[in-house]
Amino acid sequence: DQQVKQNSPSLSVQEGRISILNCDYTNSMFDYFLWYKKYPAEGPTFLISISSIKDKNEDGRFTVFLNKSAKHLSLHIVPSQPGDSAVYFCAASAGGTSGSRLTFGEGTQLTVNP
Amino acid sequence: DGGITQSPKYLFRKEGQNVTLSCEQNLNHDAMYWYRQDPGQGLRLIYYSQIVNDFQKGDIAEGYSVSREKKESFPLTVTSAQKNPTAFYLCASRDTGTGNEKLFFGSGTQLSVL
Repeated sequence: DQQVKQNSPSLSVQEGRISILNCDYTNSMFDYFLWYKKYPAEGPTFLISISSIKDKNEDGRFTVFLNKSAKHLSLHIVPSQPGDSAVYFCAASAGGTSGSRLTFGEGTQLTVNP
Repeated sequence: DGGITQSPKYLFRKEGQNVTLSCEQNLNHDAMYWYRQDPGQGLRLIYYSQIVNDFQKGDIAEGYSVSREKKESFPLTVTSAQKNPTAFYLCASRDTGTGNEKLFFGSGTQLSVL
């Protein structure tokens, strides 16, 4: 049962344009969401997060949007840079009810072309 | 520099052999986690520990064992009962005192079967 799903295995965009990565979840108990970025043969690094009490969080070029009614979140990167090329994972937590276990999506490989 | 150290970076296992993956952190984090990454499947939780001398099974604990004798260390043993051990293994930790769900990851260990 895949509770967090990233339906696009890959995404390719031109440098300077917007990258939009999508994530859907099924568990209505999830109340905290995170995005991680991962380069090959390295551990994921934290990018940005959002609590369910918000619908948007922004940090520089990165913005995460949360639509609770649709159980959908997205990560926008503007403008995209070649160094952004990596695998992006979304993750969700049900907080105290789960002992803070993060459930991850399958990941989306983003390629930013110069 | 504070961080999480995983060793070795590459490990080979012979059939019927147990192997142990090391994870050490100097972040003074209480909680530690082991995830497994397979291509196209995202990160799946194997075991986690919220405090010294206590740990819980994750979603795919069969064929694995852990110990948490020290706060800084959370080794994972891949036993001969794990029939498909080839994967990228990631250790993570979290500061439970902040109420923050963010995980910090090590750089991973690639385990392959000979």
